Amino acid sequence: AQSVTQLGSHVSVSEGALVLLRCNYSSSVPPYLFWYVQYPNQGLQLLLKYTTGATLVKGINGFEAEFKKSETSFHLTKPSAHMSDAAEYFCAVREGGYQKVTFGIGTKLQVIP
Amino acid sequence: DTAVSQTPKYLVTQMGNDKSIKCEQNLGHDTMYWYKQDSKKFLKIMFSYNNKELIINETVPNRFSPKSPDKAHLNLHINSLELGDSAVYFCASSQDSGQGINIQYFGAGTRLSVL
Repeated sequence: AQSVTQLGSHVSVSEGALVLLRCNYSSSVPPYLFWYVQYPNQGLQLLLKYTTGATLVKGINGFEAEFKKSETSFHLTKPSAHMSDAAEYFCAVREGGYQKVTFGIGTKLQVIP
Repeated sequence: DTAVSQTPKYLVTQMGNDKSIKCEQNLGHDTMYWYKQDSKKFLKIMFSYNNKELIINETVPNRFSPKSPDKAHLNLHINSLELGDSAVYFCASSQDSGQGINIQYFGAGTRLSVL
């Protein structure tokens, strides 16, 4: 069975500081991994995804994530936070061949000026 | 053009009423979903249809009934609304090919308030 754990339901960073949002997954087979972002009063939109191949994946808005199989992690980073990054971020996992995507509980990112 | 559109955006109703939420996607996708997001932002899959066939049916009260008239539409009908049904309901779609990546595209949500 697949599951996702996001550590920290709220993260605050100063503008210009490093953003690190943590995600650990559980999957019985090699997973597909995703990060989605939700801005206030909007639906989720894809930031980036990992399927196979290169373990460091780059997404939109300067975000990237690294798949570490040994740590079962897929943490999201951005070198320098911008005010417009304030949003809710969801990590998600899908086991290959299985239709269902399981989302984490979300991490709310606050960016302090 | 909005890729995944839901109507209505807001829905306020009394307990015991029956209501429907409509979803349409113009992306040509073959799979559509309904999710419920509670007040703590937890996102839970409810149903999924692939080419009008129900493929995911999570533990959801049978007061909730999805209907997919064609692969571009997935509606959600809720009978006898309860206070606990208050949430934001999201529709999503994806193009699925079994082993595919399954990137989901979400609508803007329907905020349901049951009084």
